[in-house]
Amino acid sequence: DTEVTQTPKHLVMGMTNKKSLKCEQHMGHRAMYWYKQKAKKPPELMFVYSYEKLSINESVPSRFSPECPNSSLLNLHLHALQPEDSALYLCASSQLDRGLWNTGELFFGEGSRLTVL
Amino acid sequence: SQQGEEDPQALSIQEGENATMNCSYKTSINNLQWYRQNSGRGLVHLILIRSNEREKHSGRLRVTLDTSKKSSSLLITASRAADTASYFCATDADSWGKLQFGAGTQVVVTP
Repeated sequence: DTEVTQTPKHLVMGMTNKKSLKCEQHMGHRAMYWYKQKAKKPPELMFVYSYEKLSINESVPSRFSPECPNSSLLNLHLHALQPEDSALYLCASSQLDRGLWNTGELFFGEGSRLTVL
Repeated sequence: SQQGEEDPQALSIQEGENATMNCSYKTSINNLQWYRQNSGRGLVHLILIRSNEREKHSGRLRVTLDTSKKSSSLLITASRAADTASYFCATDADSWGKLQFGAGTQVVVTP
Protein backbone atom coordinates (compact mmCIF):
# COMPACT_ATOMS: atom_id res chain seq x y z
CA ASP A 1 0.00 0.00 0.00
CA THR A 2 1.72 3.17 -1.18
CA GLU A 3 -1.17 5.54 -0.63
CA VAL A 4 -1.69 8.58 1.50
CA THR A 5 -5.42 9.11 2.01
CA GLN A 6 -6.84 12.52 2.83
CA THR A 7 -10.39 13.33 3.90
CA PRO A 8 -12.48 15.22 3.13
CA LYS A 9 -11.63 16.01 -0.48
CA HIS A 10 -13.57 19.26 -0.29
CA LEU A 11 -14.55 21.34 2.71
CA VAL A 12 -16.49 24.59 2.92
CA MET A 13 -16.56 26.31 6.29
CA GLY A 14 -17.50 29.61 7.83
CA MET A 15 -15.08 31.72 9.79
CA THR A 16 -16.58 30.64 13.11
CA ASN A 17 -16.62 26.91 12.38
CA LYS A 18 -14.35 24.24 13.78
CA LYS A 19 -13.39 21.46 11.39
CA SER A 20 -10.61 18.94 10.90
CA LEU A 21 -8.66 17.55 7.98
CA LYS A 22 -7.50 13.95 8.25
CA CYS A 23 -4.59 12.07 6.69
CA GLU A 24 -3.73 8.38 6.90
CA GLN A 25 -0.86 6.26 5.60
CA HIS A 26 0.03 2.61 6.13
CA MET A 27 3.52 2.57 4.64
CA GLY A 28 5.23 2.58 8.02
CA HIS A 29 6.54 6.09 7.44
CA ARG A 30 7.50 7.89 10.63
CA ALA A 31 7.60 11.40 9.12
CA MET A 32 4.40 13.20 8.15
CA TYR A 33 3.89 16.66 6.72
CA TRP A 34 1.26 19.30 6.12
CA TYR A 35 1.65 21.63 3.16
CA LYS A 36 -0.60 24.48 2.01
CA GLN A 37 -0.90 25.30 -1.68
CA LYS A 38 -2.59 28.30 -3.25
CA ALA A 39 -3.62 28.29 -6.90
CA LYS A 40 -0.68 28.38 -9.33
CA LYS A 41 1.82 28.46 -6.46
CA PRO A 42 4.18 25.84 -5.04
CA PRO A 43 3.30 23.94 -1.85
CA GLU A 44 4.38 25.73 1.33
CA LEU A 45 5.52 23.70 4.31
CA MET A 46 3.40 24.12 7.44
CA PHE A 47 4.26 21.33 9.88
CA VAL A 48 6.46 18.26 10.11
CA TYR A 49 6.01 15.38 12.55
CA SER A 50 8.73 12.83 13.16
CA TYR A 51 8.07 9.83 15.40
CA GLU A 52 4.68 11.39 16.24
CA LYS A 53 6.30 14.50 17.67
CA LEU A 54 6.06 17.96 16.14
CA SER A 55 9.54 18.75 14.82
CA ILE A 56 8.90 21.71 12.51
CA ASN A 57 6.30 24.48 12.73
CA GLU A 58 6.85 27.07 10.01
CA SER A 59 5.38 29.90 12.09
CA VAL A 60 1.86 28.83 11.22
CA PRO A 61 -0.97 30.83 12.89
CA SER A 62 -2.52 29.12 15.90
CA ARG A 63 -5.88 28.82 14.14
CA PHE A 64 -4.23 25.76 12.53
CA SER A 65 -3.56 23.05 15.09
CA PRO A 66 -1.86 19.82 14.01
CA GLU A 67 -2.16 16.51 15.81
CA CYS A 68 -0.50 13.15 15.26
CA PRO A 69 -2.48 10.56 17.31
CA ASN A 70 -0.35 7.64 16.10
CA SER A 71 2.20 6.75 13.46
CA SER A 72 -0.44 6.31 10.74
CA LEU A 73 -2.64 9.34 11.32
CA LEU A 74 -2.21 13.07 11.00
CA ASN A 75 -4.92 15.64 11.65
CA LEU A 76 -5.13 19.35 11.05
CA HIS A 77 -7.68 21.09 13.26
CA LEU A 78 -9.10 24.31 11.90
CA HIS A 79 -10.74 27.06 13.93
CA ALA A 80 -11.62 30.69 13.22
CA LEU A 81 -10.10 30.62 9.77
CA GLN A 82 -9.98 33.57 7.40
CA PRO A 83 -11.01 33.62 3.73
CA GLU A 84 -7.33 33.90 2.77
CA ASP A 85 -6.80 30.44 4.30
CA SER A 86 -8.74 28.96 1.39
CA ALA A 87 -6.31 26.63 -0.36
CA LEU A 88 -5.43 23.03 -1.15
CA TYR A 89 -4.03 21.34 1.96
CA LEU A 90 -1.66 18.50 1.18
CA CYS A 91 -0.52 15.77 3.52
CA ALA A 92 2.64 13.81 2.82
CA SER A 93 4.71 11.12 4.45
CA SER A 94 8.24 9.83 4.11
CA GLN A 95 10.61 7.28 5.53
CA LEU A 96 12.75 8.61 8.29
CA ASP A 97 16.49 8.06 8.28
CA ARG A 98 17.97 10.63 10.60
CA GLY A 99 21.36 9.08 10.11
CA LEU A 100 21.47 10.43 6.57
CA TRP A 101 20.07 13.79 7.70
CA ASN A 102 18.44 14.49 4.40
CA THR A 103 14.85 14.37 3.28
CA GLY A 104 13.94 11.55 0.95
CA GLU A 105 10.98 11.01 -1.32
CA LEU A 106 7.68 12.38 -0.10
CA PHE A 107 4.43 10.53 -0.81
CA PHE A 108 1.55 12.96 -1.15
CA GLY A 109 -2.17 12.56 -0.74
CA GLU A 110 -4.60 14.10 -3.22
CA GLY A 111 -5.29 17.01 -0.92
CA SER A 112 -8.26 18.59 0.81
CA ARG A 113 -9.58 21.67 -0.96
CA LEU A 114 -10.69 24.14 1.70
CA THR A 115 -12.95 27.12 1.09
CA VAL A 116 -13.50 29.59 3.93
CA LEU A 117 -16.52 31.84 3.51
CA SER B 1 11.37 31.98 1.06
CA GLN B 2 11.65 29.77 -1.97
CA GLN B 3 14.88 27.89 -2.28
CA GLY B 4 14.34 26.87 -5.91
CA GLU B 5 13.47 29.06 -8.85
CA GLU B 6 12.36 27.45 -12.07
CA ASP B 7 12.26 28.49 -15.66
CA PRO B 8 10.47 28.68 -17.86
CA GLN B 9 7.27 29.38 -15.91
CA ALA B 10 5.28 27.80 -18.72
CA LEU B 11 6.10 25.58 -21.66
CA SER B 12 3.89 24.52 -24.54
CA ILE B 13 5.05 21.74 -26.86
CA GLN B 14 3.67 19.13 -29.21
CA GLU B 15 3.59 15.41 -28.60
CA GLY B 16 6.88 13.78 -29.47
CA GLU B 17 8.96 16.85 -28.69
CA ASN B 18 11.33 17.10 -25.75
CA ALA B 19 10.62 19.38 -22.79
CA THR B 20 13.41 20.91 -20.72
CA MET B 21 12.97 22.90 -17.55
CA ASN B 22 15.55 24.33 -15.19
CA CYS B 23 15.79 24.87 -11.46
CA SER B 24 18.21 27.14 -9.65
CA TYR B 25 18.76 27.23 -5.92
CA LYS B 26 20.63 29.45 -3.51
CA THR B 27 22.43 27.38 -0.87
CA SER B 28 24.18 24.02 -0.71
CA ILE B 29 21.90 20.98 -0.77
CA ASN B 30 21.81 17.35 0.31
CA ASN B 31 19.65 16.31 -2.61
CA LEU B 32 17.30 17.75 -5.18
CA GLN B 33 14.00 16.20 -6.13
CA TRP B 34 11.54 16.67 -8.96
CA TYR B 35 7.78 16.27 -8.58
CA ARG B 36 4.84 16.36 -11.00
CA GLN B 37 1.40 17.69 -10.17
CA ASN B 38 -1.64 17.23 -12.36
CA SER B 39 -4.18 20.01 -12.05
CA GLY B 40 -5.86 19.99 -8.62
CA ARG B 41 -4.20 16.74 -7.59
CA GLY B 42 -1.42 15.73 -5.21
CA LEU B 43 2.26 15.74 -6.11
CA VAL B 44 3.98 12.67 -7.46
CA HIS B 45 7.68 12.07 -6.91
CA LEU B 46 9.63 11.67 -10.15
CA ILE B 47 13.29 11.48 -9.30
CA LEU B 48 15.84 12.30 -6.57
CA ILE B 49 19.42 13.25 -7.35
CA ARG B 50 22.00 13.46 -4.59
CA SER B 51 24.52 16.27 -4.32
CA ASN B 52 27.37 13.95 -5.34
CA GLU B 53 25.57 12.82 -8.52
CA ARG B 54 25.69 14.68 -11.81
CA GLU B 55 23.07 12.89 -13.90
CA LYS B 56 20.24 10.45 -13.37
CA HIS B 57 17.78 8.73 -15.68
CA SER B 58 14.36 7.25 -15.09
CA GLY B 59 12.44 6.09 -18.14
CA ARG B 60 11.90 9.15 -20.35
CA LEU B 61 13.25 11.47 -17.66
CA ARG B 62 16.79 12.76 -17.43
CA VAL B 63 17.90 14.98 -14.56
CA THR B 64 21.21 16.78 -14.31
CA LEU B 65 22.70 18.56 -11.33
CA ASP B 66 25.47 21.15 -11.39
CA THR B 67 26.32 22.04 -7.81
CA SER B 68 28.92 24.60 -8.91
CA LYS B 69 26.17 26.56 -10.66
CA LYS B 70 23.51 25.57 -8.12
CA SER B 71 21.22 24.40 -10.86
CA SER B 72 19.38 21.34 -12.11
CA SER B 73 17.51 20.50 -15.27
CA LEU B 74 14.72 18.05 -16.01
CA LEU B 75 14.39 16.71 -19.55
CA ILE B 76 11.30 14.80 -20.63
CA THR B 77 11.93 13.05 -23.93
CA ALA B 78 9.28 12.13 -26.52
CA SER B 79 6.56 13.94 -24.56
CA ARG B 80 2.97 12.70 -24.44
CA ALA B 81 -0.31 14.48 -23.75
CA ALA B 82 -0.33 12.71 -20.37
CA ASP B 83 2.83 14.65 -19.43
CA THR B 84 0.72 17.82 -19.20
CA ALA B 85 1.22 18.94 -15.61
CA SER B 86 3.15 21.31 -13.36
CA TYR B 87 6.68 20.26 -12.50
CA PHE B 88 8.39 21.34 -9.29
CA CYS B 89 11.92 21.00 -8.06
CA ALA B 90 12.45 20.69 -4.32
CA THR B 91 15.48 20.93 -2.04
CA ASP B 92 16.14 20.37 1.61
CA ALA B 93 18.98 22.80 2.06
CA ASP B 94 18.13 24.23 5.47
CA SER B 95 17.67 21.12 7.55
CA TRP B 96 16.04 17.75 7.59
CA GLY B 97 12.33 17.77 6.80
CA LYS B 98 12.23 21.26 5.33
CA LEU B 99 11.67 20.24 1.74
CA GLN B 100 11.01 23.48 -0.08
CA PHE B 101 9.58 23.72 -3.56
CA GLY B 102 10.44 25.96 -6.47
CA ALA B 103 7.85 28.05 -8.27
CA GLY B 104 7.16 25.32 -10.82
CA THR B 105 6.98 24.99 -14.59
CA GLN B 106 3.58 24.44 -16.17
CA VAL B 107 3.93 22.12 -19.16
CA VAL B 108 1.22 21.68 -21.77
CA VAL B 109 1.66 18.93 -24.36
CA THR B 110 -0.74 19.12 -27.28
CA PRO B 111 -1.56 16.06 -29.43
